[in-house]
Amino acid sequence: GENVEQHPSTLSVQEGDSAVIKCTYSDSASNYFPWYKQELGKGPQLIIDIRSNVGEKKDQRIAVTLNKTAKHFSLHITETQPEDSAVYFCAAGAGGTSYGKLTFGQGTILTVHP
Amino acid sequence: DGGITQSPKYLFRKEGQNVTLSCEQNLNHDAMYWYRQDPGQGLRLIYYSQIVNDFQKGDIAEGYSVSREKKESFPLTVTSAQKNPTAFYLCASSIAGDQYEQYFGPGTRLTVT
Repeated sequence: GENVEQHPSTLSVQEGDSAVIKCTYSDSASNYFPWYKQELGKGPQLIIDIRSNVGEKKDQRIAVTLNKTAKHFSLHITETQPEDSAVYFCAAGAGGTSYGKLTFGQGTILTVHP
Repeated sequence: DGGITQSPKYLFRKEGQNVTLSCEQNLNHDAMYWYRQDPGQGLRLIYYSQIVNDFQKGDIAEGYSVSREKKESFPLTVTSAQKNPTAFYLCASSIAGDQYEQYFGPGTRLTVT
């Protein structure tokens, strides 16, 4: 089955700096890559996603890049703010009989210091 | 106010007891999912349902059971056969046409002692 590895497990930055979180996946059939933000004691919130026919997607301060050849994708947050502090998860979804099934990475604890 | 509700937020049970976690959505989504989250780990899929009266096992279904009698409801029962039931349980839903865009509820933290 699919395996998703996420790095780093913790990331600490100063307010205004950029933050980058990277994920690799194993199943070349995966074609959907979402990123979720989870605040303490709450459910994950979908913040951005990318599909395999696109190499990059941007939404204000957040961007995601995908390299299908290398099977890795990354989340980029620019001009970080203290409210960006949370746990971020990447995931990969495949089609076919596995349609709808997401495999998640282990999560990255992002801390933005004022 | 549309969304996914899970109740209760915290649940305590004694070992050997079955317990049922509630998940309700008013988003008119066809597909619903149950995930388990343990400290320092990602989410793992327990069961999912793409349509009423049908559901499939996820990656860690042993010791759990579900039902899908109504479109808006997908309760999860943690049975006494689940060896490590203490965890944070998350319910999610998505439309049938794009089952990848999953929206999560607030979660239920289950503690079994």
